[in-house]
Amino acid sequence: EAQVTQNPRYLITVTGKKLTVTCSQNMNHEYMSWYRQDPGLGLRQIYYSMNVEVTDKGDVPEGYKVSRKEKRNFPLILESPSPNQTSLYFCASSLGSAGNEQYFGPGTRLTVT
Amino acid sequence: GENVEQHPSTLSVQEGDSAVIKCTYSDSASNYFPWYKQELGKRPQLIIDIRSNVGEKKDQRIAVTLNKTAKHFSLHITETQPEDSAVYFCAAARTGNQFYFGTGTSLTVIP
Repeated sequence: EAQVTQNPRYLITVTGKKLTVTCSQNMNHEYMSWYRQDPGLGLRQIYYSMNVEVTDKGDVPEGYKVSRKEKRNFPLILESPSPNQTSLYFCASSLGSAGNEQYFGPGTRLTVT
Repeated sequence: GENVEQHPSTLSVQEGDSAVIKCTYSDSASNYFPWYKQELGKRPQLIIDIRSNVGEKKDQRIAVTLNKTAKHFSLHITETQPEDSAVYFCAAARTGNQFYFGTGTSLTVIP
C-alpha cells in the first residue's frame, strides 16, 4: 500500500531533550516536506527536500533540522525542543515539485513541557 | 515571501446549497494552487488543484477558479452534503516545492 508513515504518532517530552520524528514514504517520491499545524495558523512549511542530500528552509525553520540521506526517509530533528514547538506535525511527499499531489502522513502530536 | 489569506474562517450552509471559499496570494511567481480537505483528526487530503495557465477546473461538485491578475482563487462546492463538513485549506506554491497555506475554513453543512 502506497503511504507516508510517521513515528511516533504522539510524543510528550521536556524542554531541551533532543528528539527525532521519522518520516518514510514507499512511493519513490523525490520531494518531501515537513509542516506544523497550529490552531488559527493553518499549515506552515518547516523544511523541504527536492532529492537526496538536497534540503531547503521553508517558512518556519528555526529550531528544526532535517536530513535526507535516503530517498524514502526524511527525519525531523529537534535538537533542543521548547514549549513553542508544541504542535501537530505532518510529513508529506510528492512525485515532483509543486504541481504534483502531496500525500500527507498521519501526523505527530508533539507536546513539549 | 508569499502571503496567502483565506476567507471566511467559518462557513455554515444548508445541505444542498453552495459553498464558496476565497483565497488571495501575494507572490506573482506562484504557479500552483491546491485545495485540501481535512476532516477532524485526519490528515489533509488534496481535493482539487489548478495551475497558473488555467482559469477554471471542475471535478463533479467541486470547482476552482483562478484570477492571476487579481491574485485570487476560489473553491466552489455545489449541492453540499453533510460529508462535506471539514476544514478546507488553500495553498500557493511555486516550482521548487515551497508551499504557503491559508489559515483554513471550517465548513459545516447543516442537514
